[in-house]
Amino acid sequence: EAGVAQSPRYKIIEKRQSVAFWCNPISGHATLYWYQQILGQGPKLLIQFQNNGVVDDSQLPKDRFSAERLKGVDSTLKIQPAKLEDSAVYLCASSISGTYNEQFFGPGTRLTVL
Amino acid sequence: AQSVTQLGSHVSVSEGALVLLRCNYSSSVPPYLFWYVQYPNQGLQLLLKYTTGATLVKGINGFEAEFKKSETSFHLTKPSAHMSDAAEYFCAVSEMDSSYKLIFGSGTRLLVRP
Repeated sequence: EAGVAQSPRYKIIEKRQSVAFWCNPISGHATLYWYQQILGQGPKLLIQFQNNGVVDDSQLPKDRFSAERLKGVDSTLKIQPAKLEDSAVYLCASSISGTYNEQFFGPGTRLTVL
Repeated sequence: AQSVTQLGSHVSVSEGALVLLRCNYSSSVPPYLFWYVQYPNQGLQLLLKYTTGATLVKGINGFEAEFKKSETSFHLTKPSAHMSDAAEYFCAVSEMDSSYKLIFGSGTRLLVRP
């Protein structure tokens, strides 16, 4: 079974530029999550999708971050414009449904904002 | 809101020694609790979880954790450390609302000395 795929693995940009991350969840998983993991901290949920609808985006900085999950499969997370404090690893995870089912994590995208 | 505290950002043990990683949570209702492991440049992998039932939970790679409601703790243990156990370990609690989102602790880095 293929795992959660993410790209790119690494990205370096300058502040005020825009960047996009892509995630393809495990086939058949209805729930998709985006987490931000700042160095030295645990992951923090940014947004959760159930199929193509948003379940929770309470911690998403909506003035600069956006995410979509068209057709309820893969997803894109965008930052525009980026700030220095956005430097982090962005993790995508998926689960069969939005309960206590195990979340499977992708390898993450490491973003450095200069 | 629920929260998770992991005591000790770094724990160092000798190979073959007992591993004890501490996790305390705050919750007004019995939570779902999880331990995840993260190897360098990889995503998180579920070690074990407690939802209901037996309070001693066994996971992969010889790890286990015990849910102690009176102490609001969910400490992770392994009788004998192996070099391959060196990684970052995260304790997490699940919000008991419609999202079941995970709230992570700040992580404990386990170092195993030969």
